Amino acid sequence: EPEVTQTPSHQVTQMGQEVILRCVPISNHLYFYWYRQILGQKVEFLVSFYNNEISEKSEIFDDQFSVERPDGSNFTLKIRSTKLEDSAMYFCASSESRTALGDEQFFGPGTRLTVL
Amino acid sequence: RKEVEQDPGPFNVPEGATVAFNCTYSNSASQSFFWYRQDCRKEPKLLMSVYSSGNEDGRFTAQLNRASQYISLLIRDSKLSDSATYLCVVNGGTYNNNDMRFGAGTRLTVKP
Repeated sequence: EPEVTQTPSHQVTQMGQEVILRCVPISNHLYFYWYRQILGQKVEFLVSFYNNEISEKSEIFDDQFSVERPDGSNFTLKIRSTKLEDSAMYFCASSESRTALGDEQFFGPGTRLTVL
Repeated sequence: RKEVEQDPGPFNVPEGATVAFNCTYSNSASQSFFWYRQDCRKEPKLLMSVYSSGNEDGRFTAQLNRASQYISLLIRDSKLSDSATYLCVVNGGTYNNNDMRFGAGTRLTVKP
């Protein structure tokens, strides 16, 4: 069964450093997403991406964040200058079509980011 | 009012019990509704989509009441493997809104 993959599984970084989290969505999916989940809290939407551009973003997704689809398979989330409060699990997801039409989003296993 | 609100639980039930979870959402324009399941420190996985007519998948039944902005999940004949956090999820509310808004989850523990 096709699945979303994410690397690394755990990233430890120093405050102020840049990190890039990587995702490989399911190959025939057109919509890509990033979510985060701070330990013990709910899953929060960050950004959605379609047709090589951001289609929606939340108030969390400020100028410190950026996304990119550098090639036909990878989808990345960059945090430019990490803060302590960026420590969380970051989930990538993908869907074949619009979730607004009821299409399921498939989640990757997540990258646990720890900012020291 | 929170976008998606759930009773956090925990619900501790014996095997074989029937348990019901409720969820309310604030955006009347939301169009898609889901129940996801999340095991500890794992990714959310779709349990079932929720349709206006109600839908059933084996031991799981989901209901949607748009007028009350209310979603429910019923689990019959609980198994030990049903122990997890159940997440109520709705989409952002417009045709272009593919973002999903998650509730904080309801934790279920099924005991022998």
